Amino acid sequence: DIQMTQSPSSLSASVGDRVTITCQASQDIANHLNWYQQRPGKAPKLLIYDASSLETGVPSRFSGSGSGTDFTLSISSLQPEDIATYYCQSFDIFPPYTFGQGTKLEI
Amino acid sequence: QVQLVESGGGLVKPGGSLRLSCAASGFTFRTYYMTWIRQAPGKGLEWVSYIDTSGTSIYYGDSVKGRFIISRDNANKSLHLQMNSLRAEDTAVYYCARALDSGGNSYFDYWGQGTLVTVSS
Repeated sequence: DIQMTQSPSSLSASVGDRVTITCQASQDIANHLNWYQQRPGKAPKLLIYDASSLETGVPSRFSGSGSGTDFTLSISSLQPEDIATYYCQSFDIFPPYTFGQGTKLEI
Repeated sequence: QVQLVESGGGLVKPGGSLRLSCAASGFTFRTYYMTWIRQAPGKGLEWVSYIDTSGTSIYYGDSVKGRFIISRDNANKSLHLQMNSLRAEDTAVYYCARALDSGGNSYFDYWGQGTLVTVSS
């Protein structure tokens, strides 16, 4: 199975900062990498799919990049509502799906 | 709008059983793959199970294989998870989620609000 290593595990930043979260796959997964945001007490929400495609309705300050084994989620200008835990998720030819361990973002 | 509403969670003793349900609305349920994903208290997300549109292709995570059974009722737009031989480590919020396939990738575009399962004596 693919292993996903997400870093950092937690991050403190200020409003307006640029924030970057990374996710590394244990093997080449092409662009089969997705990002989710989970606000406290809420269900996860899809932000980015296919490594860099922005889900409809997600603010343009969120962006994703990468392919192969190394991926990045960026927030260009951090807003208070971005306080959340962020997860990457990969997909192999068949399930299982694998999630990263999460990055808790605080302001 | 797309809605997924889980039900059936609760407190159960180790070794017991529980059946979760997920009621879908706002989309053509029979044309979408569906999954269950769980989150233990204070922990990360763990994929549990996947079912294709007709219920013929089914997959489970290693931690639940042989104990959980996923099923769907397309006529009634519902997804189910029969959980048997429950263990303390199955304690989690269980989410149902719609799965989309895209060029070899697969991801979850809609999630329910979750239902809490607590396994404790």
